[in-house]
Amino acid sequence: GENVEQHPSTLSVQEGDSAVIKCTYSDSASNYFPWYKQELGKGPQLIIDIRSNVGEKKDQRIAVTLNKTAKHFSLHITETQPEDSAVYFCAASRVSGYSTLTFGKGTMLLVSP
Amino acid sequence: DTEVTQTPKHLVMGMTNKKSLKCEQHMGHRAMYWYKQKAKKPPELMFVYSYEKLSINESVPSRFSPECPNSSLLNLHLHALQPEDSALYLCASSRGAGEKLFFGSGTQLSVL
Repeated sequence: GENVEQHPSTLSVQEGDSAVIKCTYSDSASNYFPWYKQELGKGPQLIIDIRSNVGEKKDQRIAVTLNKTAKHFSLHITETQPEDSAVYFCAASRVSGYSTLTFGKGTMLLVSP
Repeated sequence: DTEVTQTPKHLVMGMTNKKSLKCEQHMGHRAMYWYKQKAKKPPELMFVYSYEKLSINESVPSRFSPECPNSSLLNLHLHALQPEDSALYLCASSRGAGEKLFFGSGTQLSVL
């Protein structure tokens, strides 16, 4: 089955800095890679996703890059703000079949004012 | 509207109680899911319903019983739970296979 490794487990940055979270996956058939943000007491919120036919996707301050050959993908947050503080999960799955995502273990991001 | 609504938000129950968690979505999604999440861990898949039929059961103990009355509703019936079942229970939905997954805010369950 799929295995997703996520690093780092915690990340502290100053407001305005950039933050990068990296994930690797094991199943070369995986072709869908979403990122979720989870604030305390809330459910995971989909913030961006990418499919394997695309190398990069950007949405305002958030971008995701995918390297299929190396089987890794990364989340980039620029100009971080205190409200970006949360736990971020990467995930991977195959588009065919059901959305049985395999999640990484999560990264706690703390943005200090 | 990308909202999945879960009730109740918090639930405390004894090991002999029977309770139910409820989930509702009005996005026309045909797949609905139950996940369990322990503190500081990623969500773990429990059940998947597709077109109101149970399609995946991840070897979940029978004290958890899912039900999908219609395409918008998903229930999780709880009976004779153990303290280790205390967790955040998340409902999710997607339009179909391999589509974006949207989560509700969850029910924080404590079993005493």
